[in-house]
Amino acid sequence: RKEVEQDPGPFNVPEGATVAFNCTYSNSASQSFFWYRQDCRKEPKLLMSVYSSGNEDGRFTAQLNRASQYISLLIRDSKLSDSATYLCVVNGGSNYQLIWGAGTKLIIKP
Amino acid sequence: EPEVTQTPSHQVTQMGQEVILRCVPISNHLYFYWYRQILGQKVEFLVSFYNNEISEKSEIFDDQFSVERPDGSNFTLKIRSTKLEDSAMYFCASSEDSGRTYEQYFGPGTRLTVT
Repeated sequence: RKEVEQDPGPFNVPEGATVAFNCTYSNSASQSFFWYRQDCRKEPKLLMSVYSSGNEDGRFTAQLNRASQYISLLIRDSKLSDSATYLCVVNGGSNYQLIWGAGTKLIIKP
Repeated sequence: EPEVTQTPSHQVTQMGQEVILRCVPISNHLYFYWYRQILGQKVEFLVSFYNNEISEKSEIFDDQFSVERPDGSNFTLKIRSTKLEDSAMYFCASSEDSGRTYEQYFGPGTRLTVT
């Protein structure tokens, strides 16, 4: 069964702290991995793709562990504007279908 | 910055009625998608579309659903006879290709309420 699992949270984190999320996926044939963020009642917005070698974009670092089938997202120096739900997304082994996690809710407190 | 647009932002319809949700994908993108998200639940894939035909569809995308690209810019989702359980946010997305780096970009969504 194709599944993407995430801790729903919420993660309550003080501003400036570092926070990390993990996500596990069940389909070993998956080839593409993404983190999206979604604000309440808005569309998902692509945060970053996740590459095998790991990648960094400013305060955000994503890593992929294929052997254990998990993906991580690290946010450093968190800002109030980082408050959102973070969605782990994996392709289902085909070219087209994305399988979505239920999301991890992050709340950054002043 | 190019973006996906969707109309209407909110559609209210009665059970059994037909609705058409409209999307304008990013202009140089070739792959188009519809997703739905029931309030408080996961985003769910409905269908992908390329070269004027459906590439892949999920179990949700049954005979009451259809998609069309009626012209060079619009991409539509039709629900023939709406049910109460079709109430959800419907997102259109597009991507430049379907290779490894097929990052999908989403429109703002249409909130469909079936009464």
